[in-house]
Amino acid sequence: GENVEQHPSTLSVQEGDSAVIKCTYSDSASNYFPWYKQELGKRPQLIIDIRSNVGEKKDQRIAVTLNKTAKHFSLHITETQPEDSAVYFCAASLRGGNKLTFGTGTQLKVEL
Amino acid sequence: NAGVTQTPKFRVLKTGQSMTLLCAQDMNHEYMYWYRQDPGMGLRLIHYSVGEGTTAKGEVPDGYNVSRLKKQNFLLGLESAAPSQTSVYFCASSYSPSGGLYNEQFFGPGTRLTVL
Repeated sequence: GENVEQHPSTLSVQEGDSAVIKCTYSDSASNYFPWYKQELGKRPQLIIDIRSNVGEKKDQRIAVTLNKTAKHFSLHITETQPEDSAVYFCAASLRGGNKLTFGTGTQLKVEL
Repeated sequence: NAGVTQTPKFRVLKTGQSMTLLCAQDMNHEYMYWYRQDPGMGLRLIHYSVGEGTTAKGEVPDGYNVSRLKKQNFLLGLESAAPSQTSVYFCASSYSPSGGLYNEQFFGPGTRLTVL
């Protein structure tokens, strides 16, 4: 089955700096790569996703890049703010969003 | 719309006891899922359902059973709870993809289960 590795497990940045979280996947047939944000004690919520036919996608301060050849994808957050502090999970799916395999999460802390 | 709801929010069980977690969604989604979340291990799929009356095993199905008798409900059962099942359980749902569509999974608020 699919295996998703995520790094780093913790990331601390100063407010205003950029943050980058990286994931690798094992199954070259995976075609959908969402990113979820989970605030403390809350449910995971989708913040951005990318399909296998796209190399990059941006939504305001967040962007995701996909390298199918290397089988890795990354989340980029620019101009970080304290409200960006949360756990971020990457995931991969063979079936367009169903049967997601999640990474182990990155605890992002944005310090003032 | 309430979205995805879960009951109960918290539960403490003794080893060997049984219980059922209920997930309900009002978005007319075809697909429903049960995950468990443990520290440092992310979200792992327990069982899922692609429609009313169907269920399938996920990554970590042992010790759990599920049922989808109604489209809007997905039940997760623990027949004989073990301390290893102490976890936070999340239910999720998504619209059935077809023709290459990609679909967001919407999560419930979670159930924190402790097995002593």
